[in-house]
Amino acid sequence: RKEVEQDPGPFNVPEGATVAFNCTYSNSASQSFFWYRQDCRKEPKLLMSVYSSGNEDGRFTAQLNRASQYISLLIRDSKLSDSATYLCVVMPSGTYKYIFGTGTRLKVLA
Amino acid sequence: DGGITQSPKYLFRKEGQNVTLSCEQNLNHDAMYWYRQDPGQGLRLIYYSQIVNDFQKGDIAEGYSVSREKKESFPLTVTSAQKNPTAFYLCATMTGHREQYFGPGTRLTVT
Repeated sequence: RKEVEQDPGPFNVPEGATVAFNCTYSNSASQSFFWYRQDCRKEPKLLMSVYSSGNEDGRFTAQLNRASQYISLLIRDSKLSDSATYLCVVMPSGTYKYIFGTGTRLKVLA
Repeated sequence: DGGITQSPKYLFRKEGQNVTLSCEQNLNHDAMYWYRQDPGQGLRLIYYSQIVNDFQKGDIAEGYSVSREKKESFPLTVTSAQKNPTAFYLCATMTGHREQYFGPGTRLTVT
């Protein structure tokens, strides 16, 4: 089993739709969680950290479920510019190392 | 203008040659990282350094070497021992809040 698993997609959604991605992790001692966005042939960019209580940044909401060992990302009112690959990242406690998922590809269609 | 720079953006080398990729930062971050990304795959950690003059192997360190003589610089050498060196190489730094920020990357092609 991979340490961090994501559905590769692609998720093809119309503009204005709400879309959600999940990411599961295997190490229950994981401490920090993040979502990154990566455009084609570019570097990953931090979208948001994921806090235990959940957090929201504009149209984006991230949640953590420690009991079931998954994190989620919800995007409301999708824009064409949201088209990208979304990377789930987990950092186990006691390390300064990130574990990356392989990413979920999102295409927002006009 | 703060940030992470990687040069060059594209690099072409012949098999059997060593090549050094540059990573420089002016963010004053202590920790720096090197990853490689292959098509359709996640980022894999090559080496990381939490402080000057110290570094640790990541998950795929074989065929690579690094140095960390200055806080601002963390160059990666891809040696001829690396069997599949063609990849997208990304350098990152980590903040005190454990958030990583990436440079623009170097695409290395070895033929």
